Amino acid sequence: EEQLLESGGTLVRPGGSLRLSCAASRFTFSSYAMNWVRQAPGKGLEWVSTISGSGTTTYYADSVKGRFTISRDNPKKTLYLQMNSLRAEDTAVYYCAQSVAVAGSWFDPWGQGTLVTVSS
Amino acid sequence: DIQMTQSPSSLSASVGDRVTITCRASESISNYLNWYQQKPGKAPHLLISTTTTLHTGVPSRFSGSGLGTDFTLTITDLQPDDFATYFCQQSFSKPDTFGQGTRLEIK
Repeated sequence: EEQLLESGGTLVRPGGSLRLSCAASRFTFSSYAMNWVRQAPGKGLEWVSTISGSGTTTYYADSVKGRFTISRDNPKKTLYLQMNSLRAEDTAVYYCAQSVAVAGSWFDPWGQGTLVTVSS
Repeated sequence: DIQMTQSPSSLSASVGDRVTITCRASESISNYLNWYQQKPGKAPHLLISTTTTLHTGVPSRFSGSGLGTDFTLTITDLQPDDFATYFCQQSFSKPDTFGQGTRLEIK
């Protein structure tokens, strides 16, 4: 089964930047859309962004549009989330998750998550 | 955006019980409804996709139903491993949205 491993989460000051990574093990990484979903402490799940298998199509939640950029490197089997102009409300565990399509699909599997804390 | 409303937000039950969690969409989402289970400190994992399809390895005591705006997740013969938080998610249109979660606790 596919395994996903996130990294890059840390403490960052408001207004700062951070890049998260998600390494995949599957040989056919490029065949799958990839997603970022976040969960603020003690809260529910919030979809953040989706990228197609080729990387040519992307979607963003309004709450991050213009500040976050999703990208992927298929030969390296790695997904990224560049996070700029970070705010306190971006504090969350960020999960990467795979889907079979950019829409009309489901998230499976998920990585273990990486914690981003935005605080001064 | 499509709003997903789950009920109840929390639920107490005993081992062996049958429980039902409902999820209502603010507009029709056909059958584009998925269910996830999450345990404390762990990532969510997929239980059911497109309303009724059990994910590989999910016990048959879990089942899903519904169409349009109203959906249910039913768990029969509750086992100790089932006590967790459950989320519904619509994938009919972007942005994908989740219900607020239902915490299933041991009575």
